[in-house]
Amino acid sequence: EVQLVESGGGLVQPGGSLRLSCAASGFTVSSNYMSWVRQAPGKGLEWVSVIYSGGSTYYADSVKGRFTISRHNSKNTLYLQMNSLRAEDTAVYYCARGFLGTSRDQSWDYYYMDVWGKGTTVTVSS
Amino acid sequence: AIQLTQSPSSLSASVGDRVTITCRASQGISSALAWYQQKPGKAPKLLIYDASSLESGVPSRFSGSGSGTDFTLTISSLQPEDFATYYCQQFNSYPPSLTFGGGTKVEIK
Repeated sequence: EVQLVESGGGLVQPGGSLRLSCAASGFTVSSNYMSWVRQAPGKGLEWVSVIYSGGSTYYADSVKGRFTISRHNSKNTLYLQMNSLRAEDTAVYYCARGFLGTSRDQSWDYYYMDVWGKGTTVTVSS
Repeated sequence: AIQLTQSPSSLSASVGDRVTITCRASQGISSALAWYQQKPGKAPKLLIYDASSLESGVPSRFSGSGSGTDFTLTISSLQPEDFATYYCQQFNSYPPSLTFGGGTKVEIK
């Protein structure tokens, strides 16, 4: 069964650090595009970061320079290292498997996420 | 950055109703749009990708259409399990980033 299970969330003080993990089963993390998406309480979805199968990494401006996405191939696990945490980073964090393709008219790339974990909650508060 | 505007932000409908949700992009994105359904306390679920391709296992009452800047998600006959929040999402290649619409909450009338 294809599955993602996040862990590592919790309560952390502003300025602190936390590392989230996302263990995959049924597929290989390193062969896929993998993303982190978060959702603040009562708010919509916000993309955080993506790692390409080739290893390239990209971040939302709101987390650039503070968060680092990585993966451990032998553990088949995705990570999100979060440093210098702020109150506005409080959210449920989801990991998701992505698929990159090209639109029907070949003019635009698309990316969608077909497998999601259940999420892990991060609370940044003193 | 490309913005996605969904409308309405919420709607009330009855079981059996036909429901249409709109997503407008701030610039043309061809057909590169996905739709997700999210129920309270649950992870999002992919419904539609490339504007109109139905994800495997998703009921055929869900359909997507559109290209360029205007997109729609249609539920042909609303079922009790369809009451949820729906999000559109697009992707920028250079530099890579993803954007979600603000969401549309579908409630029971």
